[in-house]
Amino acid sequence: EAGVTQFPSHSVIEKGQTVTLRCDPISGHDNLYWYRRVMGKEIKFLLHFVKESKQDESGMPNNRFLAERTGGTYSTLKVQPAELEDSGVYFCASSSRVLARGLLAGGTGELFFGEGSRLTVL
Amino acid sequence: GNSVTQMEGPVTLSEEAFLTINCTYTATGYPSLFWYVQYPGEGLQLLLKATKADDKGSNKGFEATYRKETTSFHLEKGSVQVSDSAVYFCALMKNTGFQKLVFGTGTRLLVSP
Repeated sequence: EAGVTQFPSHSVIEKGQTVTLRCDPISGHDNLYWYRRVMGKEIKFLLHFVKESKQDESGMPNNRFLAERTGGTYSTLKVQPAELEDSGVYFCASSSRVLARGLLAGGTGELFFGEGSRLTVL
Repeated sequence: GNSVTQMEGPVTLSEEAFLTINCTYTATGYPSLFWYVQYPGEGLQLLLKATKADDKGSNKGFEATYRKETTSFHLEKGSVQVSDSAVYFCALMKNTGFQKLVFGTGTRLLVSP
């Protein structure tokens, strides 16, 4: 079974340009997450999709970031226009766990992560 | 709010040495605790987890015990190998609501032969 795949593995762009990162979750996983690690700091939550709906986007830094998950399959994260501070590694994760009556239920609960997309803004 | 603090690295050890990577957390309620590992060129992988106080998670010779009284989840291994060289992340997740991991800054482990 294929794991979570991310593309590109590394992108180098200039300030002001646009970059789109893609994540293909494990087939059948309704939950898809984006996280980011800025150099040397903690990995921070960006947002969470349940199927095609944004469940929680409280971690999105600003409106230069746009995430989509059309059809509830793969997801894209677009940064437009990119700034220097956007440099870092963007991780995608997926899981099969579902929410029932306000409690986590079903599935293994484990988040499966991709290898990350390294973004360098010059 | 919820947060995780782990020791800064890099931690440099010789093969077969004892490893401890400290992790403490701040959280409301009773979170689940995790250690993730990122080997060079690979994605984050779940190493071990514990879901309640006094639980011990273990995998690949690594262990960590959920200590509620000290709000800690220190990672230990009795004898490290060169292949254990990686970045280790401590994390927590609330047990209600949707899953959202809160990570520490990561600790790089370098093991030399």
